[in-house]
Order: sequence, then C-alpha cells, then structure tokens
Amino acid sequence: QQQVKQSPQSLIVQKGGISIINCAYENTAFDYFPWYQQFPGKGPALLIAIRPDVSEKKEGRFTISFNKSAKQFSLHIMDSQPGDSATYFCAASKGGNQGGKLIFGQGTELSVKP
Amino acid sequence: GAGVSQSPSNKVTEKGKDVELRCDPISGHTALYWYRQSLGQGLEFLIYFQGNSAPDKSGLPSDRFSAERTGGSVSTLTIQRTQQEDSAVYLCASRRRQGGYTFGSGTRLTVV
Repeated sequence: QQQVKQSPQSLIVQKGGISIINCAYENTAFDYFPWYQQFPGKGPALLIAIRPDVSEKKEGRFTISFNKSAKQFSLHIMDSQPGDSATYFCAASKGGNQGGKLIFGQGTELSVKP
Repeated sequence: GAGVSQSPSNKVTEKGKDVELRCDPISGHTALYWYRQSLGQGLEFLIYFQGNSAPDKSGLPSDRFSAERTGGSVSTLTIQRTQQEDSAVYLCASRRRQGGYTFGSGTRLTVV
C-alpha cells in the first residue's frame, strides 16, 4: 500500500531528445506527487509537483503527466541537455503538500549524451 | 540559514560505536524529516517531526536508531552500536507548512 515503483532504473538519452521516467503507486489516498532531482554529493531538490485533480503540469522543459485511474504518473524532460544528467526520484504523500512523509521511488539515473 | 545544514558531512566509525548526526533546518520550517539513502537506492523514510506533535517513528529500522528535535529546531539522529549495514547517506529535510521538502547535502556514514 505504501510503495512507489519507478522505472527505468537508468536511462541514456541523446542531447535534444525526450527523457521519460515512469512511476506507479498503490495507495489511492496519495494526493501529492513531486519529482526530485539529485546531483552527486547533493541532497535531492524539488523539480515539479502535481495534485491528482489535474492530468498534466508543465514547467519549462519539464512536464508531469498524471493518470489517476491507472495510478501512474510520469516525468517528461523535453530537449534534454547534458546538464540534466542526474538521478530523478518520484514520490507520493497524503495530505497534499501540507502532508506527512513522502514515499520515494527507487530513482532513475539519467545520462544525457552530447 | 539559507538552507538545511547537516554535520558532519562525512563520518567514519568503527563497528559497535555510537554516532550522532546533526541537522539544522531552515528557520521557520515546522516539519523535519530524516531519510536514509544506501548506494544506488532510493530514499528510505526514517522519522518525521511536525511542530509539537509526537514524531512519526515508523521508519526507524531498529531500536538502535533514535532521533530528537530540540526546541522545534535542531535535530539529532543517533545510531547506537553501529553495524556495517548502517553505512549510507543520511539526509535531513525540512518543510514549511505548505510546499516541498528542502534537503540538506547529507552525512555520509561509513562503518568499518
């Protein structure tokens, strides 16, 4: 009930391409779904987040797509750049962005080749 | 401070010793979280403090782990009788009443 499953574990994309990372959750009480970006030696940083009342949210080159019926959400990085190379984590929690603990996926290591 | 500060940044300890990891959250952030990140793994929830409420300790892996938050600010995570499987990066995060987490850079713990 508390799991968040993320795929793929690693991803290699050419510069300018689209990076797609997928997550699935089980607990229908989850109502806040953020994505975090982590560079080596640093803590994760919030990238973008979505609530289940919308199906898509876009911020610059980053888009979250949300499918409530399938209990799935994904991160799309358009025009991927070498500087986007990092580990990406999806997460979920209850209580909106005022809620309690985030449950994280296992992470996706993205490498963007020049 | 401007961000979440964790100390030490690196800690090497001998098996069986106790260690204390410190987290200074962003001023005014009411919630504080500890997570553990093992090599190549996701973030494992450990404990969560929210204001004056009782902490959510549901993620602590054993009774060797404990944490406290003094005065609603600084938090200390203590690991007693460390084991090699405790080796990981321990991350602290804080959050305002609304909004995303702000993580520190973590403490890399190595038990030898």
